[in-house]
Amino acid sequence: QVTLRESGPALVKPTQTLTLTCTFSGFSLSRTDTGVTWVRQPPGKALEWLAHIFSNDEKSYNPSLKSRLTISKDTSNSQVVLSMTSMDPVDTATYYCARTVTGDFDYWGQGTLVTVSS
Amino acid sequence: QSVLTQPPSVSGAPGQRVTISCTGSSSNIGAGFDVHWYQQSPGKAPKVLIYGNSNRPSGVPERFSGSKSGTSASLAITGLQAQDEAEYYCHSYDSSLGASVFGGGTKLPVL
Repeated sequence: QVTLRESGPALVKPTQTLTLTCTFSGFSLSRTDTGVTWVRQPPGKALEWLAHIFSNDEKSYNPSLKSRLTISKDTSNSQVVLSMTSMDPVDTATYYCARTVTGDFDYWGQGTLVTVSS
Repeated sequence: QSVLTQPPSVSGAPGQRVTISCTGSSSNIGAGFDVHWYQQSPGKAPKVLIYGNSNRPSGVPERFSGSKSGTSASLAITGLQAQDEAEYYCHSYDSSLGASVFGGGTKLPVL
């Protein structure tokens, strides 16, 4: 059974760095063509793709946020970490991690709401 | 402004058929990249409905179907049910951006 769970702070201050962890089970990031992605959704708005990391450590980022994002994996602990610097109130959103194998995002975590406020 | 354009809302009555369009360009759908569709109920994570343009994951009813032509894709829902009331998103890859992209979402109330 594939599961993913996001964890991290619910509240961050403007200018701080957000660090989120995706802990997963039921699959391995050492398997070829398997990846984990991060997607966010501001309240009442659409989904926005943030970043991918694949089993071969290939990474890709949303070009509009690339300078602020870092994604990494800890295969042995089944975790993927996303960091986003210079947080702003417009970054308030629910952040999701999801698995990707065939290009779609087939399993999602429940999401974690991050509020940016002083 | 989303790279993939969807109508903000469509509506239908129980039992009816509705379609949701997703219009892209020559750097995403028109370039041959797959389109995937997700259903999101309020307060829930998205769930994949269609992957690879027209494939249904196990457990997704046959009432849901996907197609793609040129620079556009469509999601069709037949025999609309109250439980289909949700927001629907299309998703593909854009080679100019080098990024996954989503549509802006389509809200489907079942009247």
